[in-house]
Amino acid sequence: AQKITQTQPGMFVQEKEAVTLDCTYDTSDPSYGLFWYKQPSSGEMIFLIYQGSYDQQNATEGRYSLNFQKARKSANLVISASQLGDSAMYFCAMRVPNTNAGKSTFGDGTTLTVKP
Amino acid sequence: GAVVSQHPSWVICKSGTSVKIECRSLDFQATTMFWYRQFPKQSLMLMATSNEGSKATYEQGVEKDKFLINHASLTLSTLTVTSAHPEDSSFYICSAPKGFAPDYEQYFGPGTRLTVT
Repeated sequence: AQKITQTQPGMFVQEKEAVTLDCTYDTSDPSYGLFWYKQPSSGEMIFLIYQGSYDQQNATEGRYSLNFQKARKSANLVISASQLGDSAMYFCAMRVPNTNAGKSTFGDGTTLTVKP
Repeated sequence: GAVVSQHPSWVICKSGTSVKIECRSLDFQATTMFWYRQFPKQSLMLMATSNEGSKATYEQGVEKDKFLINHASLTLSTLTVTSAHPEDSSFYICSAPKGFAPDYEQYFGPGTRLTVT
């Protein structure tokens, strides 16, 4: 079975500073994908970044980067230069191919508040 | 990127009535779609996996007769909440993966906010 753990229910960060949102995962399958999504108050799920289990380098997408530590089974999201619009709920998720029909396992989420 | 639409975006209904929510993949064919339920400040809870041309697979604890799912075509899945009650009030989100490999993104609909009075 797959499991995602996000231990920070809420986080605060000052505008323009960097913030790290924690995510640890558990799976026995060697092939998996890790995703981060942003969910603003409107409810839509916005894809941020993807990291594959066989990727050698950490993924980056603009101000988002994923600190992937495979041995520790962690996939922390780093947001640089925080903006007020980054205030939202953030979910870490994992997909394992050929199991569970490709469905994702989600963590409980972290609510990020960016202070002006 | 691929787009998944949901209709309606919000609905208010009276207790005892049924509500149908549509989920469409607009620019790709989705043999599988997922239906999630989300309460405020909580994570997404998978309700069922919708498979085109076959019966849906429900997660443990989800009432099949209450949440009817139909995947009539490769671009449309519907969730019908039958005999809705106030405790069914929630945010319902559908999603569709473009494939089953781990790097295939899962595209989410914008969600439907259901309020049962």
